[in-house]
Amino acid sequence: DIQMTQSPSSLSASVADRVTITCRASQSISNYLNWYQQKPGKAPKLLIYAASNLQSGVPSRFSGSGSGTDFTLTISSLQPEDFATYYCQQSYSTPWTFGQGTKVEIK
Amino acid sequence: QVTLKESGPVLVKPTETLTLTCTVSGFSLNNARMGVSWIRQPPGKALEWLAHIFSNDEKSYSTSLKSRLTITKDTSKSQVVLTMTNMDPVDTATYYCARISSSSWSVGDWFDPWGQGTLVTVSS
Repeated sequence: DIQMTQSPSSLSASVADRVTITCRASQSISNYLNWYQQKPGKAPKLLIYAASNLQSGVPSRFSGSGSGTDFTLTISSLQPEDFATYYCQQSYSTPWTFGQGTKVEIK
Repeated sequence: QVTLKESGPVLVKPTETLTLTCTVSGFSLNNARMGVSWIRQPPGKALEWLAHIFSNDEKSYSTSLKSRLTITKDTSKSQVVLTMTNMDPVDTATYYCARISSSSWSVGDWFDPWGQGTLVTVSS
C-alpha cells in the first residue's frame, strides 16, 4: 500500500497568514493526488484534484502543487472559514489512501 | 444535483455483521466509469478508504479489511451496499459514501461529493 504522510499534523495561524501543508507519498504517484477540507461534524469537501486543479467553487486562495512524491497545499491568505482539517489522498493505485490530516487552528 | 445518503444501524453488537446502504441521486450507477466509494472515520481520527465499486462491477477493497468487506450495487434502486462482518468496537466510526469522479482532461479519480455520513457504534 502507498503511505501518505502529511506535515505538520497541526498548525496555528492567524487570519491573512500564508499557510503551507505538505504531503509525501511513499512512492511516486505522478500527480494522482487530491486535497480535501473537513470541518467539525461535516463531511469532507474536495478542494484540489490531480495535484493542482482547483475544484469548481473553491476560492482561488487555495492552490496545489507537486508531482512524484512531494505535494503542497497552499492557502495564500487564511480566512476565518478556512480553520479546518485538511487531508491528502492518492488515487494512483488501489488501495487508495489518505494522509493522517493537518489541523489548522486559530493562533 | 448529485446527492448521496448513507443509511444503516446506529448500533451493532460485537461479532455482528454491519450492512450499510448508500442511496444516490442525480447520477446513474450505469453510466460509464461511474463509481462509489465507502470511507470511514473513527471519532477524532483520520479518514480511511474502505472499498469502491464501478459501473462495470470493478471492485477494490482495503488491504487490512478485505476479508471482512463486500461491496455490491443495485442499479435499479440506485444503491450501493457495504457489508462488514465480525464487527468490533474499534470499527466504531462515521461511515461515508462518496461518488468517484474523474475528468477526461485530468488524471486520477477523486471523491466528490460525499454523503453526510452515518455514525455506527459497536458495543454490547
